[in-house]
Amino acid sequence: DIQMTQSPTSLSASVGDRVTITCQATEDIGYYLSWHQQKPGKAPELLLYHASYLQTGVPSRFSGSGSGTDFSFTISSLQPEDVGTYYCQHSVAFGGGTRVEIK
Amino acid sequence: QVQLQESGPGLVRPSGTLSLTCAVSGDSISSDHWWTWVRQPPGKGLEWIGEIFHSGSTNYNPSLKSRVAISLDNSKNQFSLRLTSVTAADTAIYYCTRDPGYCSGGRCYRGHYCEFWGQGTQVTVSS
Repeated sequence: DIQMTQSPTSLSASVGDRVTITCQATEDIGYYLSWHQQKPGKAPELLLYHASYLQTGVPSRFSGSGSGTDFSFTISSLQPEDVGTYYCQHSVAFGGGTRVEIK
Repeated sequence: QVQLQESGPGLVRPSGTLSLTCAVSGDSISSDHWWTWVRQPPGKGLEWIGEIFHSGSTNYNPSLKSRVAISLDNSKNQFSLRLTSVTAADTAIYYCTRDPGYCSGGRCYRGHYCEFWGQGTQVTVSS
């Protein structure tokens, strides 16, 4: 079974900072990688699919790249409303999550 | 806009059966998408439970396969989750989602991601 490994597990950054999260698959998954944001006490929401496609309505400061086994997710300028946990997903497998906090 | 809404008992007794329903609006469960269940134990990450297609085809998490069943109710445009022999380890927030599958050339494919999520429903297993 394919496993997804995210890093780091948590990070703290200042407003306006560039933040990057990585996700690694145990085998080639092409571009079938999505990213979800879960704000505290809320359900997850889709941000990006197919590695780099922004879901409708999602701010352009969010972006993604990668293919095969190595992927990255970037917030170009961290905002207070971006606090939460971010998960990568391939099909039936989710990464362990990355908690993002404001310094 | 597609919306999903989970419903069901918030408390289930150990060794009992957990039954949840997901009502879908803004789309038909007969469309070429996969309807899935995901859960999140307290303070932990997301766990994929299983999915169903309008044909009735299902896929389940191997770790839950012996206890889980997902079904469709076309008349009510909803799908359901049934998990038997529950223990405290099944305590979690349960989400229903839509995987944007599609059909082409006589074959149907999964989208491999959760496009829309319900708000989630808390289920506690306790006596």
